[in-house]
Amino acid sequence: NAGVTQTPKFQVLKTGQSMTLQCAQDMNHNSMYWYRQDPGMGLRLIYYSASEGTTDKGEVPNGYNVSRLNKREFSLRLESAAPSQTSVYFCASRRGGLETQYFGPGTRLLVL
Amino acid sequence: KNEVEQSPQNLTAQEGEFITINCSYSVGISALHWLQQHPGGGIVSLFMLSSGKKKHGRLIATINIQEKHSSLHITASHPRDSAVYICAVNSGGGADGLTFGKGTHLIIQP
Repeated sequence: NAGVTQTPKFQVLKTGQSMTLQCAQDMNHNSMYWYRQDPGMGLRLIYYSASEGTTDKGEVPNGYNVSRLNKREFSLRLESAAPSQTSVYFCASRRGGLETQYFGPGTRLLVL
Repeated sequence: KNEVEQSPQNLTAQEGEFITINCSYSVGISALHWLQQHPGGGIVSLFMLSSGKKKHGRLIATINIQEKHSSLHITASHPRDSAVYICAVNSGGGADGLTFGKGTHLIIQP
């Protein structure tokens, strides 16, 4: 039981490049989330998926797209990376409703 | 939008001391979470509570819904408790994500 996994662990991009961050959970959770963590800002919600087949914007969705590929997987895509997207990205999941959230190990992204 | 404030931002204490970290929020919530993040980044959920008090080992979390305030206490603190402690809230009752405080950086010196 791996919990929540994220790939890659670290990535360097040039401005304008695109990439997809992958997230998978093996806990049969319904809801999945993407957050970003920046110094002095705390964690902020980018997008979430309440259940398979649905996605919704969070607090800071601009510049990102998401895909809930199936119940296990929720990917985050940067179409044209900008230096302002340099951050640590965390994926999380929970069974649903008011339940504990489980976090992945994070992806460190540097955009030059 | 719920505003979540934590205090103190930084706390250094000696091993064995009783530690209190505070969290306040601006709008009614359905649940409050306390999370722990060690250097290196991993985030672990410590507590989720919507009323009263919860205890796990040396950690105690309380919440006062009327005052929109929660506290995290650590008894008999130890250097391995050194971490960032983050308060987060569910404002809605559905599957919407969490709103986070900026965290409290705790250092316990031997």
